[in-house]
Amino acid sequence: ETGVTQTPRHLVMGMTNKKSLKCEQHLGHNAMYWYKQSAKKPLELMFVYNFKEQTENNSVPSRFSPECPNSSHLFLHLHTLQPEDSALYLCASSQDGLAGNEQFFGPGTRLTVL
Amino acid sequence: AQSVTQLGSHVSVSEGALVLLRCNYSSSVPPYLFWYVQYPNQGLQLLLKYTSAATLVKGINGFEAEFKKSETSFHLTKPSAHMSDAAEYFCAVSETGNQFYFGTGTSLTVIP
Repeated sequence: ETGVTQTPRHLVMGMTNKKSLKCEQHLGHNAMYWYKQSAKKPLELMFVYNFKEQTENNSVPSRFSPECPNSSHLFLHLHTLQPEDSALYLCASSQDGLAGNEQFFGPGTRLTVL
Repeated sequence: AQSVTQLGSHVSVSEGALVLLRCNYSSSVPPYLFWYVQYPNQGLQLLLKYTSAATLVKGINGFEAEFKKSETSFHLTKPSAHMSDAAEYFCAVSETGNQFYFGTGTSLTVIP
């Protein structure tokens, strides 16, 4: 595997379900990100981890819970979601949190909440 | 506060014609600027980035962008469009590494 991988690629869940999204980066990076991409809206940064420590939480509802066990893996735990949470969830990584470093994106998980 | 404005959510060009996708930004300090491309069912891929070296930045697939401080712009161009260029294009600005601010995207259609 190379780059940034995400599983599953598609997920359909009910509002009472609990599921997790997984992201893995094979680039040796130290910073990882979760974004939400909804139609006609800019990408929304949700969470940032630098060296496994959460450094940003952009007012994300508590029904989204991130976990970063090491610099290569990032999870997004989901519970009691709402239909408006349906979107493409993108994971990204960068060398570190310094300015000028580009972010490398995974293919995303398409989430549908029924 | 930083923000990015991409004028034109949809742009159509004929194959072989010039591609021009517009991006204007606001930033209180000299920013880092990026263009990303997203093909259907894929993540974002970096096309090019500006990091205060040359104002004309060349990227992959024949794209380039020019940083114009006086106009706070970073427009993306390609001299001759290919069918494979059809995709969604995003401009992004960053002052600190962790915080990227993306525009709403421009969908490029290439007409044969």
